[in-house]
Amino acid sequence: DSGVTQTPKHLITATGQRVTLRCSPRSGDLSVYWYQQSLDQGLQFLIQYYNGEERAKGNILERFSAQQFPDLHSELNLSSLELGDSALYFCASSLHRDRGNTEAFFGQGTRLTVV
Amino acid sequence: GQQLNQSPQSMFIQEGEDVSMNCTSSSIFNTWLWYKQDPGEGPVLLIALYKAGELTSNGRLTAQFGITRKDSFLNISASIPSDVGIYFCAGRDNTDKLIFGTGTRLQVFP
Repeated sequence: DSGVTQTPKHLITATGQRVTLRCSPRSGDLSVYWYQQSLDQGLQFLIQYYNGEERAKGNILERFSAQQFPDLHSELNLSSLELGDSALYFCASSLHRDRGNTEAFFGQGTRLTVV
Repeated sequence: GQQLNQSPQSMFIQEGEDVSMNCTSSSIFNTWLWYKQDPGEGPVLLIALYKAGELTSNGRLTAQFGITRKDSFLNISASIPSDVGIYFCAGRDNTDKLIFGTGTRLQVFP
């Protein structure tokens, strides 16, 4: 168990809908990363938050947004869903680099299926 | 999307053989991480590297942080069936962004 919790584990929704994925980082971790993994593909970096603020952005679509709350949990919002958005969405957390070793630990992912 | 170049893309080996895979980047990284992912699961951290030239072992796994800070390799010795999975490298740059490699799919035959 990595200590990173993602909910829900599975989500099936229709095209055009909006969903929210949730991530609780490991205790003490300030950084949260979101990744998208399509079938048999690598991990595509979406966005990173550090202590509530956006820190880095990858190739995240405008239909997607995220935030990190004061209790450090994070949510990834996906709207106007398309069939191609079906994928595994992973959250990872780590300490900030200035606090020493910065291994990133992953949750079990949310499998999103858009029908 | 942003990804590191990882090779080989896939490997089919016999149990007991050694395995080597590597990752290269056009950018400098401050940290290299190696992960293993089983189907439908989240990546699990295997080894973390923090200094150029660093060589670190974790059981049968050995990884090195390249001197140029633009590459890293992972070796697995005496492979066993449970080594099957997808191995990813990841590099962290000075903006704290964590970028992943394209993955190496390992298949081990008894």
